[in-house]
Amino acid sequence: AQKVTQAQTEISVVEKEDVTLDCVYETRDTTYYLFWYKQPPSGELVFLIRRNSFDEQNEISGRYSWNFQKSTSSFNFTITASQVVDSAVYFCALSEAGFQKLVFGTGTRLLVSP
Amino acid sequence: EAQVTQNPRYLITVTGKKLTVTCSQNMNHEYMSWYRQDPGLGLRQIYYSMNVEVTDKGDVPEGYKVSRKEKRNFPLILESPSPNQTSLYFCASSFRDGSVTGELFFGEGSRLTVL
Repeated sequence: AQKVTQAQTEISVVEKEDVTLDCVYETRDTTYYLFWYKQPPSGELVFLIRRNSFDEQNEISGRYSWNFQKSTSSFNFTITASQVVDSAVYFCALSEAGFQKLVFGTGTRLLVSP
Repeated sequence: EAQVTQNPRYLITVTGKKLTVTCSQNMNHEYMSWYRQDPGLGLRQIYYSMNVEVTDKGDVPEGYKVSRKEKRNFPLILESPSPNQTSLYFCASSFRDGSVTGELFFGEGSRLTVL
């Protein structure tokens, strides 16, 4: 069975602080895909990244970076120099090859104050 | 513009009154799916469809029906809504390449309240 755990329910930081959102996953498959989505206060789901299980390279996109470690089954997301616009709920998700769904974590609410 | 369109965006209804939430995508995606989002539970899959006339249950299908008569449309039907179906609903679509491996495009969400 596949499972995604986001243990941090809510994180509060002050603008310009760095923040890391944790994601731990469980799967029996050797081929799988990991995702991060952002849900701003307006409610829509915004795709951030997809990573497959064979690519453990870390990725950086502007102030966003992702650390994928198969040894610890983690796919953590770091925002550098956070901004108020980063305030949102962030979801980590897992898709196994051959299964037809994304399994989502329960989300982490990030509050960035000025 | 590539998009997934859901209607209605907001709905308040009463127990037992049948309703349909429509979902339409303009990206020629084979795969479509419905999720519900509840506080503390994240998003959970209700039903999905790999192509026209092919649908299957997700994790929480009870109380819902779907159909896929056309590739672009995937309506969610609540035959007899109950208060525990009060939730935020998302429709999603993607290309099918053996599994949900590409980006899953989401609609803007439909907030349903059942009194």
